[in-house]
Amino acid sequence: EDQVTQSPEALRLQEGESSSLNCSYTVSGLRGLFWYRQDPGKGPEFLFTLYSAGEEKEKERLKATLTKKESFLHITAPKPEDSATYLCAVQARRIFNKFYFGSGTKLNVKP
Amino acid sequence: DAGITQSPRHKVTETGTPVTLRCHQTENHRYMYWYRQDPGHGLRLIHYSYGVKDTDKGEVSDGYSVSRSKTEDFLLTLESATSSQTSVYFCAISESVGGSTDTQYFGPGTRLTVL
Repeated sequence: EDQVTQSPEALRLQEGESSSLNCSYTVSGLRGLFWYRQDPGKGPEFLFTLYSAGEEKEKERLKATLTKKESFLHITAPKPEDSATYLCAVQARRIFNKFYFGSGTKLNVKP
Repeated sequence: DAGITQSPRHKVTETGTPVTLRCHQTENHRYMYWYRQDPGHGLRLIHYSYGVKDTDKGEVSDGYSVSRSKTEDFLLTLESATSSQTSVYFCAISESVGGSTDTQYFGPGTRLTVL
């Protein structure tokens, strides 16, 4: 069964304290893995798409990496404005018109 | 930002009443999706559409129906709302599936409360 597990559920960081969020997945043939950011009361905002193991993408203080079983979202020197819930989703090759989402990691960065 | 709007943004209704949520896009994307988001469950797919009048079920489709008569509009209907359908509903669009442009973009959401 295709599934996505994100950890931790919640993470508190001090401003400038780097850390990583984890997305573990089980899927029969990965087509794509997606990271989103969601602010309270808003829809998910697209961050990255990763397609194959070893691939990395960066955007400002965020860097996403992918292995055959998991993805990490590394946050370097976070700022309070990085506080949000980060969602991970996978797309399977055999049913590529369906996407499976994790429950998210709620990040709180304190000044 | 992708041109996606949802209406209404908030709705309170009573058990047993019909409810229709609307998603409108200005991107001319082929694929449209309805999700619900509940604490501890993440986003779960209700229905999706791969073209005008072409729709299919997702993992939590019971109690919901959809229609797409125009490329830009995707309607989600709760025929007889129940309290278990209290949730936040998100519409998403993607340009294609099976290619490099299959990233989904989400609307702002509709918060539905069924009393």
